[in-house]
Amino acid sequence: DIQMTQSPSTLSASVGDRVTITCRASQTISSWLAWYQQKPGKAPNLLIYKASSLESGVPSRFSGSGSGTEFTLTISSLQPDDFATYYCQQYNSYWTFGQGTKVEIK
Amino acid sequence: QVQLVESGGGVVQPGRSLRLSCAASGFTFSDYGMHWVRQAPGKGLEWVAVISYDGSNKYYVDSVKGRFTISRDNSKNTLYLQMNSLRGEDTAVYYCAKEQQPRGSWNYDYWGQGTLVTVSS
Repeated sequence: DIQMTQSPSTLSASVGDRVTITCRASQTISSWLAWYQQKPGKAPNLLIYKASSLESGVPSRFSGSGSGTEFTLTISSLQPDDFATYYCQQYNSYWTFGQGTKVEIK
Repeated sequence: QVQLVESGGGVVQPGRSLRLSCAASGFTFSDYGMHWVRQAPGKGLEWVAVISYDGSNKYYVDSVKGRFTISRDNSKNTLYLQMNSLRGEDTAVYYCAKEQQPRGSWNYDYWGQGTLVTVSS
């Protein structure tokens, strides 16, 4: 089974900050990685797929990079609406989520 | 517009059964693989099961194998999850999710609103 490890688990940041979240796979997954945003009481929302492709309608301040086993999600300038929990997901071999990164107000 | 609406959640005693449904609309249901994903209270997301677009392939997370069964009725645009021998650790919000691309193994572009299953005596 492929394990996904996100870091950090919690991130404190201010509006306007550049934020980076890392996701590591226990074995290579090529570029079969997605990122989701989830707000309390809501279903997750797709941000990035195939490691770096921006989902339609998602603001361009979100970007993804990486391949193989190491991936990053970057928010170029954090906005009030971005305080949420972020999950990576591999879909190279079955489906596995990272444990999540909560982005909170500093 | 794509809509996924789950139903069937509730409170159930350990060892009992429950069937969840997910009614789909706004896309050609029979072209897409569909998943169940769950989230225990205060915890992260856990993939539970997948069924291929035509129902011919089904896969499960180890913790539910032999207890849960995923199925679909393409004539009714509906996805199901039959949950037997329920345990306390199955308590979670259960989401259905649609794969982004047809006839493959993909990430999800749409999720339902979720239905809460509570296993408690």
